[in-house]
Amino acid sequence: GQQLNQSPQSMFIQEGEDVSMNCTSSSIFNTWLWYKQDPGEGPVLLIALYKAGELTSNGRLTAQFGITRKDSFLNISASIPSDVGIYFCAGQLAGQGNLIFGKGTKLSVKP
Amino acid sequence: KAGVTQTPRYLIKTRGQQVTLSCSPISGHRSVSWYQQTPGQGLQFLFEYFSETQRNKGNFPGRFSGRQFSNSRSEMNVSTLELGDSALYLCASRQVELYNEQFFGPGTRLTVL
Repeated sequence: GQQLNQSPQSMFIQEGEDVSMNCTSSSIFNTWLWYKQDPGEGPVLLIALYKAGELTSNGRLTAQFGITRKDSFLNISASIPSDVGIYFCAGQLAGQGNLIFGKGTKLSVKP
Repeated sequence: KAGVTQTPRYLIKTRGQQVTLSCSPISGHRSVSWYQQTPGQGLQFLFEYFSETQRNKGNFPGRFSGRQFSNSRSEMNVSTLELGDSALYLCASRQVELYNEQFFGPGTRLTVL
């Protein structure tokens, strides 16, 4: 089946540092979504991207839809302790309602 | 607007039993999708319902089934439970007509003993 390669698998950073993670696919997506999941909870939508090259921000978060439509990245600037969690990328193929998820990036922030 | 709600939050069952999980989407959202999340396989798509019809189905055995009611609420059923069915089952809703964003509920944690 379809797979998304998400990297890095985990990150351990100092508070205040910037963070970058990305996802790549062998398939072309028409939508990229980024989610954050806390333990015992469902994923929370952070950013949605719909056009190739689109760059969208949500506070300290910035995400981009790759020009080839096969990749996306998420940046978090000036990380804070509450950024801790698992971040997932998800892509949606044209004409399909389901999302294909990456394996997640586990972020740990040291105060 | 209230978010996606799922009941129950936790379930413990034994092998061979069956289970029904419930999901209420965000008001106005007509599509409901179900996902299974496990540490090994991650988030995997089960099926999507729109206007009471299954639109799309993932690669899961027939023991996994679902339905959607006229008020867009959805149920998922798993029959003849196996140990490997232990997982967090997540429901997501989307508006469909305007936006593709899917919003998730808190999930139902199913443990099969």
